[in-house]
Amino acid sequence: DTGVSQNPRHKITKRGQNVTFRCDPISEHNRLYWYRQTLGQGPEFLTYFQNEAQLEKSRLLSDRFSAERPKGSFSTLEIQRTEQGDSAMYLCASSLPPQETQYFGPGTRLLVL
Amino acid sequence: EDQVTQSPEALRLQEGESSSLNCSYTVSGLRGLFWYRQDPGKGPEFLFTLYSAGEEKEKERLKATLTKKESFLHITAPKPEDSATYLCAVRPGNTPLVFGKGTRLSVIA
Repeated sequence: DTGVSQNPRHKITKRGQNVTFRCDPISEHNRLYWYRQTLGQGPEFLTYFQNEAQLEKSRLLSDRFSAERPKGSFSTLEIQRTEQGDSAMYLCASSLPPQETQYFGPGTRLLVL
Repeated sequence: EDQVTQSPEALRLQEGESSSLNCSYTVSGLRGLFWYRQDPGKGPEFLFTLYSAGEEKEKERLKATLTKKESFLHITAPKPEDSATYLCAVRPGNTPLVFGKGTRLSVIA
């Protein structure tokens, strides 16, 4: 069990550029979640997948954000036309129903200049 | 609206000084309350899941308890390595987690 992995761990970009993050869940977990966390706040839900199906999206997820999980394994989160307000830690988690516990990866810290 | 409130926001303890962190919640159809530990710059690390009032879980110096409206994380004789942010989250029905803002714990040697 290698845990949830995320790449890259850090990303610095200029406003207006596109960025893509990758998440590899725990191998047998079929649910995958994306959260965003800013300083001094708890993680906020963005979206989640069961296998390759995207089942729910938060209203926080503007149309500049898109997530995919094409083969039900790894997932990518893309942010188009980044804004300074997108600067945050992006966290990925996975779980295996019926267990409710979500296990988090180390996160990708995004800084938009 | 589902809500989680953690208190205090920050707590400073001397090594060996036991204390408790509080997590109060208002949710419809609770399907689990979760405690995580988060070190600076890292992802949350799972500690406990509690499902029903009266349930208790223990791990080393930590003990989590649950009532119908709140949960407590008791820290007995803390050590400096227990310093971290402790996050509480709830799962309301069949939906993703709702987190509180966390309690920043500092344990001074």
